[in-house]
Amino acid sequence: SQQGEEDPQALSIQEGENATMNCSYKTSINNLQWYRQNSGRGLVHLILIRSNEREKHSGRLRVTLDTSKKSSSLLITASRAADTASYFCATDPFNDYKLSFGAGTTVTVRA
Amino acid sequence: IAGITQAPTSQILAAGRRMTLRCTQDMRHNAMYWYRQDLGLGLRLIHYSNTAGTTGKGEVPDGYSVSRANTDDFPLTLASAVPSQTSVYFCASRQVPNTGELFFGEGSRLTVL
Repeated sequence: SQQGEEDPQALSIQEGENATMNCSYKTSINNLQWYRQNSGRGLVHLILIRSNEREKHSGRLRVTLDTSKKSSSLLITASRAADTASYFCATDPFNDYKLSFGAGTTVTVRA
Repeated sequence: IAGITQAPTSQILAAGRRMTLRCTQDMRHNAMYWYRQDLGLGLRLIHYSNTAGTTGKGEVPDGYSVSRANTDDFPLTLASAVPSQTSVYFCASRQVPNTGELFFGEGSRLTVL
């Protein structure tokens, strides 16, 4: 079974609004990563947060990690139409390099 | 441009036929992966390789085989394709344990009739 599960499955927002999506996972991790996928393309890495970190920023992206709850969130601030894509969390376990992905959140940003 | 190249981009295949999806990377990464992506299920790991000469099974390995004869190439073979193997297949690579980021190819869309 998959390690990570994203919530919600789909999100529709107006340009300029913030988009928040969540990821829950089951087992201990070394790090958690977020990826973006535009329609018909491969996944692109956005940000990585290690298990000893609680929050990380990259441009308009903010990621939090709560290892006690086994959950993470990705916040995209001031969204743009170009942010329309699917977003996936991936968990990287200790001593095992098998990165597991969730089912993703599809984000639509309306102009 | 450095990265991962997958071939073919798209293929329609009759059930029972053998098919090999090719994957080549020029980043000298030690670890390589094959995922399949199906609507509503996200990406599921088929097989992986942490270094040339070694391979391992992922979440959904049945019906697939891989080899890793060298650092750059990681072909995925369907010995006898079935319709349930209709999917988009992604190859990815990264350097372990130093970095976490996975680099993906653009995918191979396979339809088995």
